Amino acid sequence: KAGVTQTPRYLIKTRGQQVTLSCSPISGHRSVSWYQQTPGQGLQFLFEYFSETQRNKGNFPGRFSGRQFSNSRSEMNVSTLELGDSALYLCASSLSSGTRANVLTFGAGSRLTVL
Amino acid sequence: QKEVEQNSGPLSVPEGAIASLNCTYSDRVSQSFFWYRQYSGKSPELIMSIYSNGDKEDGRFTAQLNKASQYVSLLIRDSQPSDSATYLCAVNYRIIQGAQKLVFGQGTRLTINP
Repeated sequence: KAGVTQTPRYLIKTRGQQVTLSCSPISGHRSVSWYQQTPGQGLQFLFEYFSETQRNKGNFPGRFSGRQFSNSRSEMNVSTLELGDSALYLCASSLSSGTRANVLTFGAGSRLTVL
Repeated sequence: QKEVEQNSGPLSVPEGAIASLNCTYSDRVSQSFFWYRQYSGKSPELIMSIYSNGDKEDGRFTAQLNKASQYVSLLIRDSQPSDSATYLCAVNYRIIQGAQKLVFGQGTRLTINP
């Protein structure tokens, strides 16, 4: 069974640019969550999508956005990049119901460096 | 008060000893609790989940939950050098029906010394 796939794995951007990250969840998982991980702040929740709808959002500025497609694949976008956006962006998927509905499986992450 | 708090460590334990990791959380209605392990340069991987008060054992790992005290812990018996990693405590916060937010602690860096 394939795991959570994130692309690209590494990318370098300059301030002011925008970036789009992609996430393909585990087959059958309909919920996709995004997290930002930095050494100083740890894992910070960005948003969660289910059935193409954003169900929950963390405390990030509007420059951070996302969407989910009908096949459960998700993308997140960061516009007008700032140096502080340099981080590991992690996508995680989970089942939408049942006893394991809350169990997140993470992808390998996309490491973004903003210069 | 942070939603999920952990001692950041580093915690150093000799090989073969018991490593004890602790976590407190602020939301009394939380029902799902998790421990993730993250090796340097890798993504977090689930090692334990616990939903009821008491102990849950899985091999060398034991998770303990005390909802009254809002406290979760992880014990690693017979610690091995391969257990050296950052351990993340995570608590599920339900905002509205169906919406979930898994909140992570800062993580405790554990080093097992041979």
